[in-house]
Amino acid sequence: QVQLQESGPGLVKPSETLSLTCTVSGGSINRYCWSWIRQPPGKGLEWIGYIYPSGISTHNPSLQGRVTMSVDTSKNQFSLRLTSVTVADTAVYYCARVAELDYYYMDVWGKGTTATVSS
Amino acid sequence: SYDLTQPPSVSVSPGQTASITCSGDELGNKYVCWYQQKPGQSPVLVIYQDTKRPSGMPERFSGSNSGNTATLTISGTQAMDEADYYCQAWDRSTALVLFGGGTKLTVL
Repeated sequence: QVQLQESGPGLVKPSETLSLTCTVSGGSINRYCWSWIRQPPGKGLEWIGYIYPSGISTHNPSLQGRVTMSVDTSKNQFSLRLTSVTVADTAVYYCARVAELDYYYMDVWGKGTTATVSS
Repeated sequence: SYDLTQPPSVSVSPGQTASITCSGDELGNKYVCWYQQKPGQSPVLVIYQDTKRPSGMPERFSGSNSGNTATLTISGTQAMDEADYYCQAWDRSTALVLFGGGTKLTVL
């Protein structure tokens, strides 16, 4: 079955850029849309955005244009870049598969990776 | 901005029915799904498209969505159902996704 694995640096300095990658195994990245979600320590889930296999993406307006998403179909990976990070961006970051975009629900999730913003 | 409101906590006795609500303006016009998250684990989809259960999800989990409120109902609640539950809505007109704040379900 499809599995997702997030990867990236665990520690990022304030004002720098957080870069994360999600590797899709057990299935093709071309058949679905893919999403990023984060969860600050002790808090709820926050939707970051989603991306089509074509590379077209939609992002949460609350992140004020700091988000870039990309897809590498040759590697079965998609990525997230979050610029100008602050301590408020410290969170567990999850990648997930969007099972059906018409109804937008996420049926496969990665285990999550912790990103800490600190000097 | 559009908000989804959930009660912070719900308590239920084992074997009883738990109901967790999710409220938002004209929520019945949007598609809602629900996720279960246990401590230290990733969220798991329990209900999608308002009322549907993923394959393998126990029948005791059901959902509804009408008016301004979506409801996740757990019948015959078991100790293993103790978790945080999040509703999520999809607004097709804006192509944006929103999560509710989450509800901690305690099985006493």
